[in-house]
Amino acid sequence: GAVVSQHPSWVICKSGTSVKIECRSLDFQATTMFWYRQFPKQSLMLMATSNEGSKATYEQGVEKDKFLINHASLTLSTLTVTSAHPEDSSFYICSASSRGSGGTQYFGPGTRLLVL
Amino acid sequence: QQQVKQSPQSLIVQKGGISIINCAYENTAFDYFPWYQQFPGKGPALLIAIRPDVSEKKEGRFTISFNKSAKQFSLHIMDSQPGDSATYFCAASKGAGNMLTFGGGTRLMVKP
Repeated sequence: GAVVSQHPSWVICKSGTSVKIECRSLDFQATTMFWYRQFPKQSLMLMATSNEGSKATYEQGVEKDKFLINHASLTLSTLTVTSAHPEDSSFYICSASSRGSGGTQYFGPGTRLLVL
Repeated sequence: QQQVKQSPQSLIVQKGGISIINCAYENTAFDYFPWYQQFPGKGPALLIAIRPDVSEKKEGRFTISFNKSAKQFSLHIMDSQPGDSATYFCAASKGAGNMLTFGGGTRLMVKP
């Protein structure tokens, strides 16, 4: 199957700092990338959908100025958590899909963020 | 509003047994129903997916049964193994490449 990577796999930062998470599709061109957030023992909650070259579409309740998403190329999307606070601590997961894959979403391994 | 309801929340099965997880959806526009497996600290991995034009799909030990009229679908894991112990999520979307709505997840434990 298609491979999606995320970097970093985990990050610890101080409150007030910004953190950037990268999501890459390694062996296919992702026309669409999705960003999810998952709290312990809970399901995945979609944060935003991004298409290459266009602005991301954010789900209701997700602050677009706090969670900046850039989808600069068909293989890379980034999520920047600006001015992170302890309540932003979570597991962030991206997924990518393409028309060539029949639209199947392939998920990255996730990034665990801990804000102190 | 939770559009995809998943049950049970947790499931314990003996090795060799059948694990059954059920999902129900509300939105009749959904036409793509995948199942994902997630191990702790990892991202979800696609197991199997079905579209509403078929009532059953089997891949190895994993089978999806789909009931369009009841708006329900289920995952059956035959000959369950301890290595199958994970959290399983059903999902649904309008079209395969569009946003997924996930069920709440089922934590499966297969006892040796």
